[in-house]
Amino acid sequence: EDQVTQSPEALRLQEGESSSLNCSYTVSGLRGLFWYRQDPGKGPEFLFTLYSAGEEKEKERLKATLTKKESFLHITAPKPEDSATYLCAVQYNIQGGSEKLVFGKGTKLTVNP
Amino acid sequence: NAGVTQTPKFQVLKTGQSMTLQCAQDMNHEYMSWYRQDPGMGLRLIHYSVGAGITDQGEVPNGYNVSRSTTEDFPLRLLSAAPSQTSVYFCASRRGGTNYGYTFGSGTRLTVV
Repeated sequence: EDQVTQSPEALRLQEGESSSLNCSYTVSGLRGLFWYRQDPGKGPEFLFTLYSAGEEKEKERLKATLTKKESFLHITAPKPEDSATYLCAVQYNIQGGSEKLVFGKGTKLTVNP
Repeated sequence: NAGVTQTPKFQVLKTGQSMTLQCAQDMNHEYMSWYRQDPGMGLRLIHYSVGAGITDQGEVPNGYNVSRSTTEDFPLRLLSAAPSQTSVYFCASRRGGTNYGYTFGSGTRLTVV
């Protein structure tokens, strides 16, 4: 069973059409939830870290929120340059160490002009 | 700042060959990790390190070795390459403490024939 599930798998938006991406997780003892952006052929680029339910962070047109079971990445008035795959990852308490991040499979966002 | 540098960018190996993927960071980060990314599977943790001389296994460690003799370098060794190790490999690092995400390298695309 996947511990981190992202939906939808793919999303097509028109420029200016706001929407949200979802990341749900089933782990307990969450230490942090991370959002990354990945462009084709490149490594993931760090966007946000969220630590506790109710926390929100913003960067340009992106806003990330966190509840006890899921996180949302809201994209307001997106532009074509926001097209990318958005990855969610959770870090949680497990036996043997705390530096293990579990990634979701990502949401591929395409913004058409 | 160079950030996280991975070499080579592309590599083709024959089954049974061994090789080392290089990773170096110039940010004095304590934590370093190796991930592989496969279509439909997301990023999966291979090995990680919380400091020089300290390494541990991730989710998919079989067939790979790591060592961390310096803070800057974290090489990944493939002992006897298999077609199942065909993947894109990412190295990542972060500073200690909370609220810091990982910085990823640009990846090594490995094909085992």
